[in-house]
Amino acid sequence: SAVISQKPSRDICQRGTSLTIQCQVDSQVTMMFWYRQQPGQSLTLIATANQGSEATYESGFVIDKFPISRPNLTFSTLTVSNMSPEDSSIYLCSVEAEQGGGYGYTFGSGTRLTVV
Amino acid sequence: GQNIDQPTEMTATEGAIVQINCTYQTSGFNGLFWYQQHAGEAPTFLSYNVLDGLEEKGRFSSFLSRSKGYSYLLLKELQMKDSASYLCAVRPDPGGSYIPTFGRGTSLIVHP
Repeated sequence: SAVISQKPSRDICQRGTSLTIQCQVDSQVTMMFWYRQQPGQSLTLIATANQGSEATYESGFVIDKFPISRPNLTFSTLTVSNMSPEDSSIYLCSVEAEQGGGYGYTFGSGTRLTVV
Repeated sequence: GQNIDQPTEMTATEGAIVQINCTYQTSGFNGLFWYQQHAGEAPTFLSYNVLDGLEEKGRFSSFLSRSKGYSYLLLKELQMKDSASYLCAVRPDPGGSYIPTFGRGTSLIVHP
């Protein structure tokens, strides 16, 4: 199955600033997914990133707040812009990959963001 | 829309068996996943069921009943390291969105 390197693993940021999170996959994948997971909550999909086209955002998430880049089939970035304490969360990237004889979803190790 | 329900928390004793249930109401169905997530780590894949029945993988088994919108994850011979959150996720019909919807997760605490 695919291996994803995600960084940074954690950061503490001042409100009003921006943070860019990177995910590098060890194989070429068509789609990459970005999730947010707030404490005790489920994984919430932010957007789907395809190479060569604009990301598709879920309801409640907008490009100005969470711009995404997907320059090639192995790499993507998510920026959390103009941060506020409400953005404190874990951010995860994910790809669909072969697992257990079928296809499942592999996740990066996550970025724990704290906004102060 | 999608709705996935699973218990918030469960406790069990080391060496015992525990069953974590998941019920779902989704607009279409194309498979159900179980993931394990240790605190501060990313979810890791445990199982994928698309047909009714029980799938066994070592100490872990997963069951699916599509007609009942129901699945469970069975953990046998519990170990302390099994303390984690277990996430149920449903993949909708491929004719619509194929991206899975995750439940809130069940926090399992294994004690000696």
